[in-house]
Amino acid sequence: GAVVSQHPSRVICKSGTSVKIECRSLDFQATTMFWYRQFPKQSLMLMATSNEGSKATYEQGVEKDKFLINHASLTLSTLTVTSAHPEDSSFYICSAPDSNTEAFFGQGTRLTVV
Amino acid sequence: GQQLNQSPQSMFIQEGEDVSMNCTSSSIFNTWLWYKQDPGEGPVLLIALYKAGELTSNGRLTAQFGITRKDSFLNISASIPSDVGIYFCAGRRAGGTSYGKLTFGQGTILTVHP
Repeated sequence: GAVVSQHPSRVICKSGTSVKIECRSLDFQATTMFWYRQFPKQSLMLMATSNEGSKATYEQGVEKDKFLINHASLTLSTLTVTSAHPEDSSFYICSAPDSNTEAFFGQGTRLTVV
Repeated sequence: GQQLNQSPQSMFIQEGEDVSMNCTSSSIFNTWLWYKQDPGEGPVLLIALYKAGELTSNGRLTAQFGITRKDSFLNISASIPSDVGIYFCAGRRAGGTSYGKLTFGQGTILTVHP
């Protein structure tokens, strides 16, 4: 099946710094990718839709200037958490639908801001 | 954002028992998906359902797409310890700007005692 690779799997950063998370579709092209945030024992909450060649679409309540999304190519989307604070600590997951419209997920990134 | 109503929230069962969980919504979905998530990992697709009334199996897993298109259930037969994890339902509406966008249930935490 389709594979979505996310990197890094874990990152610890200091408060005030920025962190970039990459999401790659390894064996298919994805014009659209999705970024989710998940708190412990909770469901996945959609943050934004990443669109290749155009601006990302953010869900209500998500700060676009804080969570910068760039869909650089048909196989790569990046999420940058800018000026991170401890409350941004969470599990971030990307997904991409392949040509059969199925949504495959990356392995997730555990972000800890200290 | 909107979530599907998934129940039960958690289950504690003995190895060998059957498990059933379901999701309901006030809205109609064209696709129902069931995922399993292990700790620290992204969700993995278990079963995808595309037609109302469709009943699909994947090994010990069976899922159905409700006739009304507003619900779905997942059954796991003869549970084993490696079935432990969080199970999520997800629904998707038809095309347009919401292509590929999923709405998730709250998740069912499954614990299997040997």
